[in-house]
Amino acid sequence: NAGVMQNPRHLVRRRGQEARLRCSPMKGHSHVYWYRQLPEEGLKFMVYLQKENIIDESGMPKERFSAEFPKEGPSILRIQQVVRGDSAAYFCASSPLTSANTGELFFGEGSRLTVL
Amino acid sequence: AQSVAQPEDQVNVAEGNPLTVKCTYSVSGNPYLFWYVQYPNRGLQFLLKYITGDNLVKGSYGFEAEFNKSQTSFHLKKPSALVSDSALYFCAVRDGSSNTGKLIFGQGTTLQVKP
Repeated sequence: NAGVMQNPRHLVRRRGQEARLRCSPMKGHSHVYWYRQLPEEGLKFMVYLQKENIIDESGMPKERFSAEFPKEGPSILRIQQVVRGDSAAYFCASSPLTSANTGELFFGEGSRLTVL
Repeated sequence: AQSVAQPEDQVNVAEGNPLTVKCTYSVSGNPYLFWYVQYPNRGLQFLLKYITGDNLVKGSYGFEAEFNKSQTSFHLKKPSALVSDSALYFCAVRDGSSNTGKLIFGQGTTLQVKP
């Protein structure tokens, strides 16, 4: 079974460019979560999505950040006009519908964004 | 609001000695509690969880955790540490009354096991 797949694993952008991070959940999983890990810090929740729906985006910065999980294809976290403070590891996690209530999440290897 | 505290940034133990990584939590409803481990430049791996039932939970790689409701704690333990246990450990909580799988993570504790 393939796990949660994230790409790219590493991404370098210059200030002002756009970053797109992709996440394919585990097979059979319909819930996707995005977390951000800043250097020397823990994981901060960003957004929770189900297919075609944003369920909870309470952790998303108000500007420049957006997320989607279309009916077909991976979930995408998009950061417009990146700044140096966006440099972080972005982790995607998924869970199946049946375990959503027990909260066990399966994490990808992360996408490490560096903004020059 | 939900929160998790891991009071130690780093824990150092000698190989073969018992280890404890501390975690306390705050939720409004019944807690669902988790421990994850992160190796350098990798994602998080699930170790164990407490949902209900026995207060002592056994997980992967010989780890266990004890749920203490009166102290609102969920400390991670292992009777005999291995050098390969050296990693970053995260405690996480979810409010059991919530209908989402969203987890709130602690800041993480670096475990260093010396030979």
